[in-house]
Amino acid sequence: GDSVTQMEGPVTLSEEAFLTINCTYTATGYPSLFWYVQYPGEGLQLLLKATKADDKGSNKGFEATYRKETTSFHLEKGSVQVSDSAVYFCALSDHSGYALNFGKGTSLLVTP
Amino acid sequence: EPEVTQTPSHQVTQMGQEVILRCVPISNHLYFYWYRQILGQKVEFLVSFYNNEISEKSEIFDDQFSVERPDGSNFTLKIRSTKLEDSAMYFCAWHQGEINSPLHFGNGTRLTVT
Repeated sequence: GDSVTQMEGPVTLSEEAFLTINCTYTATGYPSLFWYVQYPGEGLQLLLKATKADDKGSNKGFEATYRKETTSFHLEKGSVQVSDSAVYFCALSDHSGYALNFGKGTSLLVTP
Repeated sequence: EPEVTQTPSHQVTQMGQEVILRCVPISNHLYFYWYRQILGQKVEFLVSFYNNEISEKSEIFDDQFSVERPDGSNFTLKIRSTKLEDSAMYFCAWHQGEINSPLHFGNGTRLTVT
């Protein structure tokens, strides 16, 4: 079945460092891909999405490109801030039922 | 602020008791979902609900679980006889627009079973 694999956390970075959180997926067909963020004590918020190969999703300085050839959707940000500290979830939807299949999440801690 | 409010924000219950988790209010959304997140683990799909019927459910969603929309507004998840392993955050989710639009999530209900 469909699955999402994220790099293990926690990830600790200094402010203004470059961030990459790896995400790879397995799916039949052409799923839509998402990144969700969960700030401490809050629910999940959609961060960005991509619905087809080579699409680039972007929001709040974060970017991720849908790479069909490597089945990846890595999250990047050029300069992280303390306020980016959160748990980041990669997810896919294969459209057969529109439910999301999540990765295990990657915790990010940004220190001043 | 999310369009949907989940209540309660935290529920503590004894093993074997029934709990009802709610999403309120709902405007004209047609598709709803329940997900759960056991502490430190991934977010897991439980069930999707469309037009007052279950459209999809996972293996987790066994006979102890039920969903309904009793008054056309509130969307509820009932756990008939809670177990310790039901302790988790439970999130209600919905599509902002069409069914192929991204899912949006409520702030969740933290369920603690003792």
